Amino acid sequence: DGGITQSPKYLFRKEGQNVTLSCEQNLNHDAMYWYRQDPGQGLRLIYYSQIVNDFQKGDIAEGYSVSREKKESFPLTVTSAQKNPTAFYLCASSPTSGGYNEQFFGPGTRLTVL
Amino acid sequence: GIQVEQSPPDLILQEGANSTLRCNFSDSVNNLQWFHQNPWGQLINLFYIPSGTKQNGRLSATTVATERYSLLYISSSQTTDSGVYFCAVETLGGGTSYGKLTFGQGTILTVHP
Repeated sequence: DGGITQSPKYLFRKEGQNVTLSCEQNLNHDAMYWYRQDPGQGLRLIYYSQIVNDFQKGDIAEGYSVSREKKESFPLTVTSAQKNPTAFYLCASSPTSGGYNEQFFGPGTRLTVL
Repeated sequence: GIQVEQSPPDLILQEGANSTLRCNFSDSVNNLQWFHQNPWGQLINLFYIPSGTKQNGRLSATTVATERYSLLYISSSQTTDSGVYFCAVETLGGGTSYGKLTFGQGTILTVHP
């Protein structure tokens, strides 16, 4: 089955701890993205990567870090510097070939900071 | 940055009714997508429609890029259509603008049996 997987589905973290969210895709897409969604809001872009070993900050990158060592994987680390980390985190990917850039989303990870 | 406004913010329908959701955007775009977010949070792709009209079953969408708006039509609504509908746009230009989707705030649709 082709698709985007995110783990874990639910994550609880104590204040002051770093935590890493996993995102894997087997769609052979070049680009991958991380978004954050707060209750009753739309999604906001955290980081994105158009190619392996390269990534760019989105609109709300402070307190987050990413890596892109493999085409299939784009993990997101929520650091203790992120002031309000409790949110729903969604990963996406897109082919970006020939100008076609439709984004597809994973099922998301709900992070709660206790 | 680009502004994306969706209307109405909330919509309540009886099963079988038709509805139109609107998405206005403040600048030229090279990509527009409509999504349905189900109660479990999963974003489901409905349309990739930077311009023109597309139909998929009971749903259709039209984007008029020159006038900076898109419409999503839902006909003969069903209870399973309930959820949040998002419009998202990708702005023109290369470099750091490429691939960035800006989302609207969404329309919450509730369909009663």
